[in-house]
Formats: sequence, structure tokens, C-alpha cells
Amino acid sequence: NAGVMQNPRHLVRRRGQEARLRCSPMKGHSHVYWYRQLPEEGLKFMVYLQKENIIDESGMPKERFSAEFPKEGPSILRIQQVVRGDSAAYFCASSPKGLIYEQYFGPGTRLTVT
Amino acid sequence: GNSVTQMEGPVTLSEEAFLTINCTYTATGYPSLFWYVQYPGEGLQLLLKATKADDKGSNKGFEATYRKETTSFHLEKGSVQVSDSAVYFCALSENNNDMRFGAGTRLTVKP
Repeated sequence: NAGVMQNPRHLVRRRGQEARLRCSPMKGHSHVYWYRQLPEEGLKFMVYLQKENIIDESGMPKERFSAEFPKEGPSILRIQQVVRGDSAAYFCASSPKGLIYEQYFGPGTRLTVT
Repeated sequence: GNSVTQMEGPVTLSEEAFLTINCTYTATGYPSLFWYVQYPGEGLQLLLKATKADDKGSNKGFEATYRKETTSFHLEKGSVQVSDSAVYFCALSENNNDMRFGAGTRLTVKP
């Protein structure tokens, strides 16, 4: 059973471009969480999604950030018009029943904005 | 709001030394507490957890006890190995939607 997959592992974008980060949850998991880790800081919760639904987006910046988890395909975290401050590691986690302590993390996508 | 404060790193130990990584928390209610480990190039893995006061979580020789009176959940291991070198995160969750993480403590164990 493959673990949580994230791609790309490393992404470089210039200021003003769009970044798309993908997360394929573990097989059988329908709950996805996204976190951001800024340099020298802990992980910060961003958003919790189920298939086709955003359950909690209280940690998402109000502008430029969006997330989706369609019926088919991976969950996508989209950052429009990236700025240097968006440079961070973005982690996705999935769980089978929406119990956050059963979440399994992916290896992360490291976004660098130049 | 809820938050976690953990010992700053990096921590460097010799093999077989005793490890303590301090973690204290602030919460409005009765959270569950966790320790996660992140090995180089990998995602976080749950190491151990405790869901109520005085519970002790343990795994792979690591232990942590949920102390409500001191709002702490310190991670300990009696004898560390080189393979324990990783970043350790303390975390708390008071509901199913949200988990708060500490900043992480990098541990390096030298042979």
C-alpha cells in the first residue's frame, strides 16, 4: 500500500507565477489535511478537506491560496501570484476516517520563490 | 488559543545517552498530545500519543507522560541510537480538524 504521495518534491517559481502542489492520499483515505512549514518553524494547519468538500479552511490565507479535493484525482493546493514569503515546505496528510491523530504524512513539497 | 512550546535545538548526543526533549502546552480544554518524528527527506510519522491526563505514550523505547498539573508532555529515551537522529515535533489536538505543532527539535546522535 503506497503511502501519501506528493509532487513535485521541489518547485521553484518566480514571483507572480502560480504554484500547484499535488497530494495523492493513501488508498482508502478520503480525508486530506494541508500544512505549511516555514523555515525554523513548526507545521501550521492550513485546510482540511474531504472528497469535494472543504471542511475547515481556518488556516488558509484569505487571498491567493485555494485548495480542492475532487471526486477523482489528487488534492491540489494552489497558490496564485506567489511571493517570497510563500517559500516553505508544504505537507499533506491523509486519514481514513477524519480522525486527525490517524493522519499519515507525505514527504512534502518544498516551494522556493525567487 | 491552543499552542505548543518545545525545547529549542539542535540537540547533539552520543550514542547510548539519555534523551529529554521538553514540551509544554497551552489549551482551553482537554487536548490529546502527540510526538511526531521526521527523518531526513520524509514526512512526519506519529511516534506516540496520549489522550488524557496521566496517560503514558510509548513506542520504540521513547516515552512521554501527559502531565496536566505542569501542562507538559516531555519526550524521553533511556539510550539513544544513531538511527534516532531526526527532527521531533510535539503537537496537540483538541478537535478533529486542527492540530497544533511545536517548532521541532533536531536531534543528532553521534556514534
